[in-house]
Amino acid sequence: ETGVTQSPTHLIKTRGQQVTLRCSSQSGHNTVSWYQQALGQGPQFIFQYYREEENGRGNFPPRFSGLQFPNYSSELNVNALELDDSALYLCASSQRGGGYTFGSGTRLTVV
Amino acid sequence: GNSVTQMEGPVTLSEEAFLTINCTYTATGYPSLFWYVQYPGEGLQLLLKATKADDKGSNKGFEATYRKETTSFHLEKGSVQVSDSAVYFCALREGDTGNQFYFGTGTSLTVIP
Repeated sequence: ETGVTQSPTHLIKTRGQQVTLRCSSQSGHNTVSWYQQALGQGPQFIFQYYREEENGRGNFPPRFSGLQFPNYSSELNVNALELDDSALYLCASSQRGGGYTFGSGTRLTVV
Repeated sequence: GNSVTQMEGPVTLSEEAFLTINCTYTATGYPSLFWYVQYPGEGLQLLLKATKADDKGSNKGFEATYRKETTSFHLEKGSVQVSDSAVYFCALREGDTGNQFYFGTGTSLTVIP
């Protein structure tokens, strides 16, 4: 049974650029959630996807968007990057209503 | 609204010492409560959970009891090991199937030999 895989593990972007982060969910899981973890803080909920539809969103602006694909993998897109977007981005997959499995995250640095 | 307040760290203990990390919560309904652990360079791992009042979650020597009267879910371990060094997050989720976790800010634990 594979876990949650995120790519890339690290990347550096310039303010104003766009970035796409990827997540492969655990086998058998149909729900993917994304969290932003700033340095020294707890993870903050960005949004969740269930069967390719957004299923809840946290307090993040529209420049944070996502997709879920038929194989339940997912992308997080962030447009017009700001310095405060620098964080660890965590993906978590689950079977709806079940336990969550978190990936190791993508460390994004905006300069 | 929903929120979690955790004891601030960092916490440094000697091996075999007793550990308590305090966690209190505010919730609009009847939340499930969780402790997650994050080792350096890794994602979050579920340590234990409790889904209703007076439930006790336990795993790997760690315990936490869901106290509705004090809105608390304190993490305890009787004898810590060096391998327990990590960041610990308290979290809640609405009911047992809510679609998001609300995390505390995390408590860094370092155990020295």
